[in-house]
Amino acid sequence: EIVLTQSPGTLSLSPGERATLSCRASQSVTSSYLAWYQQKPGQAPRLLIYGASSRATGIPDRFSGSGSGTDFTLTISGLEPEDFAVYFCQQYGSSPTTFGQGTKVEIK
Amino acid sequence: EVQLLESGGGLLQPGGSLRLSCAASGFTLSSYAMTWVRQAPGKGLEWVSTISAGGGGTYYADSVKGRFTISRDSSKNTLSLQMNSLRAEDTAVYYCARTLVGVSVYFDYWGQGTLVTVSS
Repeated sequence: EIVLTQSPGTLSLSPGERATLSCRASQSVTSSYLAWYQQKPGQAPRLLIYGASSRATGIPDRFSGSGSGTDFTLTISGLEPEDFAVYFCQQYGSSPTTFGQGTKVEIK
Repeated sequence: EVQLLESGGGLLQPGGSLRLSCAASGFTLSSYAMTWVRQAPGKGLEWVSTISAGGGGTYYADSVKGRFTISRDSSKNTLSLQMNSLRAEDTAVYYCARTLVGVSVYFDYWGQGTLVTVSS
């Protein structure tokens, strides 16, 4: 199965700053079938990005995804207070689907 | 508005059984594949099981194959997960998720989760 490694484990930033999160796959992800989710404590995960770069319904355009092959990035162009959360990547280009271990974006 | 609400979690001993339910609203459950995903305390997310739209196919992670059964009741718009022969390593928050299909699956709506604790 494909192992996804996210970095950094924790990102300490201030509101308004740009966040860059990395997700690296142990082998190439078919057709860029890579998704990103946001999870806040006690809440359900929320789909942000699918197909590596397509925003899900209702997701603000400050969230963007890029990458292909084995290297993917989620960028938040200017952090809002509600963006401080844990972010997971997921590959669905091969079975079984697998998730990264998460990156926590915390307030500096 | 799409909503998913899980129930049925609890504390039980190793070897026990439990049935989780997920009540769906805002869409027709039978029109979508549905999945259970779990998250052990302090850990990442793990795919557990998927049922295809219409219920014709069911798929399981190796870690639960032969012990867990996914099903749906279209008349009640409810998804279920029957869990037998539970182990300590099954301890997790279990989420149900509406499922979209690539080669594998991804998820556009999730429930809040229900906690299952397996401990003696």
